[in-house]
This record gives sequence, C-alpha cells and structure tokens, in this order.
Amino acid sequence: NAGVTQTPKFQVLKTGQSMTLQCAQDMNHNSMYWYRQDPGMGLRLIYYSASEGTTDKGEVPNGYNVSRLNKREFSLRLESAAPSQTSVYFCASSPGGKTNEKLFFGSGTQLSVL
Amino acid sequence: DAKTTQPPSMDCAEGRAANLPCNHSTISGNEYVYWYRQIHSQGPQYIIHGLKNNETNEMASLIITEDRKSSTLILPHATLRDTAVYYCIVRVAGSQGNLIFGKGTKLSVKP
Repeated sequence: NAGVTQTPKFQVLKTGQSMTLQCAQDMNHNSMYWYRQDPGMGLRLIYYSASEGTTDKGEVPNGYNVSRLNKREFSLRLESAAPSQTSVYFCASSPGGKTNEKLFFGSGTQLSVL
Repeated sequence: DAKTTQPPSMDCAEGRAANLPCNHSTISGNEYVYWYRQIHSQGPQYIIHGLKNNETNEMASLIITEDRKSSTLILPHATLRDTAVYYCIVRVAGSQGNLIFGKGTKLSVKP
C-alpha cells in the first residue's frame, strides 16, 4: 500500500520560478489537503478539497493554486515562487464523513526558494 | 473547534509509560479528541481518537475525564522511536476544513 505519495521530495527554485507539487492517494479517500510547515512551527493549511471537483482556501492560500484533477490526485502550484514559500509541504487525505479527521499524510516535499 | 493546551515538552525513560496530558476545558458535547504525532521530518501520523469513553488500540490508550475537560494519551512502554511531537486536537467529527495542529508536546524518550 503506497498511501499518499508526494513528488518531488526535494526542490530548489529561484525567486519567480514556478512549479507544481504532485500528490496522489490510493485509498479512495474523498478529502485531500495541502499543509506547509515552517521550522519550529505547526502545520498550516493552504488549501483543501472536500471532494472531487471542489477546492477551498485554508489558512494561508496566498501565492498558491490547487487542482483536484480526479479523486486520486491533488496538485499544488506556485506560480511565482518567493523566499517566504521556503517550507516543507505535506499532502494529506482523509476518508470523509464521520472519519474525516483521520488524516493520512505523505512524506513531505522540502522546498527552498532562493 | 475547542482550544487545547499541552505542555511544550516532556521526558520519559525508555520502557516506562509516557502520559501526555491535554486540557480542553471548553470542549462541547459533540466534539471528539484526536491525537496525532509527528516524528522528526515525517508527516503527522494519526494515533487515536475518542468522544467520552476510554479508547485503546495497538499504538496507545486514550483516557478522557468524566467531565471531558481533559484527556491523557498513554504510550504504555515507550521506546526511542516514540520520540516525537504529539498533537491533541478537538473537533466535531465529520467537519470540513482546517484540522488545527497547534504546537503540541515534544516527547523525548531517553535510554
């Protein structure tokens, strides 16, 4: 069982470059999430998708866009990367319904913007 | 979602029980208590959750006080691999949106 798979694991960008972080889950989960975690801080929600075809802003959406491509995949795009977006990014999924709080996380993408 | 309060750090000797407290004095009747942990540089991992009864699974036990204003996560025989940040979260089951992780408790298991 792969669970939640994120790619890439590491990425270095220059300011102004764009990139897409990919996330896929094989658990047939309805909900998917993108979080970021800065050193010494807790996780902050960027965007989430409660079901296929829907996306909603989280706590820190500025500078990001997302696409729920299908039930399995949820991508996060940085259109013009900034140093403030240097962080570890985690994708997660959850079943939905009454078990929606049981999140399964990927292993993370460490992004550095120079 | 109700606010939770956890100590910033705790130590535990290897092989002993680790008891991690969480205060949630403003919890409402339909809010559950969820516990996650995050081992260094990994994604958080779900541990256990409960409403009012004590719960046990293969990872831990969750003890919720009768007034539900506090709870304790128990790792019965802590190992070095249990060193992690432990998050206590309170929320209505089936909610959408942000699951707020807070700062958690940094548990250090020492040999």
